[in-house]
Amino acid sequence: SQQGEEDPQALSIQEGENATMNCSYKTSINNLQWYRQNSGRGLVHLILIRSNEREKHSGRLRVTLDTSKKSSSLLITASRAADTASYFCATDPEIQGAQKLVFGQGTRLTINP
Amino acid sequence: SAVISQKPSRDICQRGTSLTIQCQVDSQVTMMFWYRQQPGQSLTLIATANQGSEATYESGFVIDKFPISRPNLTFSTLTVSNMSPEDSSIYLCTGGFYGYTFGSGTRLTVV
Repeated sequence: SQQGEEDPQALSIQEGENATMNCSYKTSINNLQWYRQNSGRGLVHLILIRSNEREKHSGRLRVTLDTSKKSSSLLITASRAADTASYFCATDPEIQGAQKLVFGQGTRLTINP
Repeated sequence: SAVISQKPSRDICQRGTSLTIQCQVDSQVTMMFWYRQQPGQSLTLIATANQGSEATYESGFVIDKFPISRPNLTFSTLTVSNMSPEDSSIYLCTGGFYGYTFGSGTRLTVV
């Protein structure tokens, strides 16, 4: 079963607006990562946040992590048409001997020009 | 970060046949992972492949259906055996400690 639940499942906004996607997970984690996938192609790694970090930035991306609530958010500021894609969170569960990523269901983001 | 090369990038196969997907990493990695992404769905881990040992399969996936080889620290193969239309998916591999670099995937259509 999937570790993460993401919401919304789909998000449509105007170009220039900010987009926020949320991810919740069930077990303790070592880290949480966000990925982008364009039209069913390969995954592009966006950002990794470790369990002892609360916030991380990369360009127009801002990721927060709240381990007490087992949740994370991805904020894309000043969205562009090229940001149209599916976004997935993936957790690295804190299970001894397990080094694998467990993916959420994803958010399909559409940026309207 | 590692660079992952995967082939074939896509294939259309007849039901009942098998397809072997190759995954090459440009650096040595201890663990490699194979995922399946069914149409419109998220990624599901099929198995974890360590060099020199049998792959570890996730619930719902069995070795007879998805045999995996891991002959060295830079290469792995996944075979989808006795295919049916339900196997139509994107198959992705990744490698590395955190496994955060993915190949471009193999889009498989079974007819």
